[in-house]
Amino acid sequence: EAGVAQSPRYKIIEKRQSVAFWCNPISGHATLYWYQQILGQGPKLLIQFQNNGVVDDSQLPKDRFSAERLKGVDSTLKIQPAKLEDSAVYLCASSLEALGSPLHFGNGTRLTVT
Amino acid sequence: DAKTTQPPSMDCAEGRAANLPCNHSTISGNEYVYWYRQIHSQGPQYIIHGLKNNETNEMASLIITEDRKSSTLILPHATLRDTAVYYCIVPKAAGNKLTFGGGTRVLVKP
Repeated sequence: EAGVAQSPRYKIIEKRQSVAFWCNPISGHATLYWYQQILGQGPKLLIQFQNNGVVDDSQLPKDRFSAERLKGVDSTLKIQPAKLEDSAVYLCASSLEALGSPLHFGNGTRLTVT
Repeated sequence: DAKTTQPPSMDCAEGRAANLPCNHSTISGNEYVYWYRQIHSQGPQYIIHGLKNNETNEMASLIITEDRKSSTLILPHATLRDTAVYYCIVPKAAGNKLTFGGGTRVLVKP
């Protein structure tokens, strides 16, 4: 089974620029998550999708972050404009719809904002 | 999520069993205990989960105390590739959202 695919692997931008990350979940996984992991900390949930609907975006900084999941498959996470504190690894995960199903994570996109 | 407490770090000798403790004294009766690990530069990887009974799979064993207030993840024969941060998580019963704490940084030494 192919895993969760993310791209790009690394991205360096200047503050106030915009950036987008892409995620392709495991086939058949209805639930998709975006996490932010700052160096030295555990991942923090930004947003959760169930198919193409948002289940929880309570921790998403909506003034600068946006995410979409068109057709309930791939997803993109965008930051506009980026701040220095957005430097982190952005992880995408997916799981089956069944409650309690383990999450499968991609290897993330490492963002550096200078 | 129920709060979990893990030691920040521990060392383990290669080939020996690694026993990773986790306290979750506020766990509710229908909440599961999940373990994930994160190897450097990779995303977290699911290891195992359980409710009441002890569980075993090809990666590890999970021992949950009878009162469910604590658990231990056992890596039976640690290898250098098991060096990682190990997270014990108790998500709310209503959803799959994971709240990661600091985890335990495990260093397997030759």
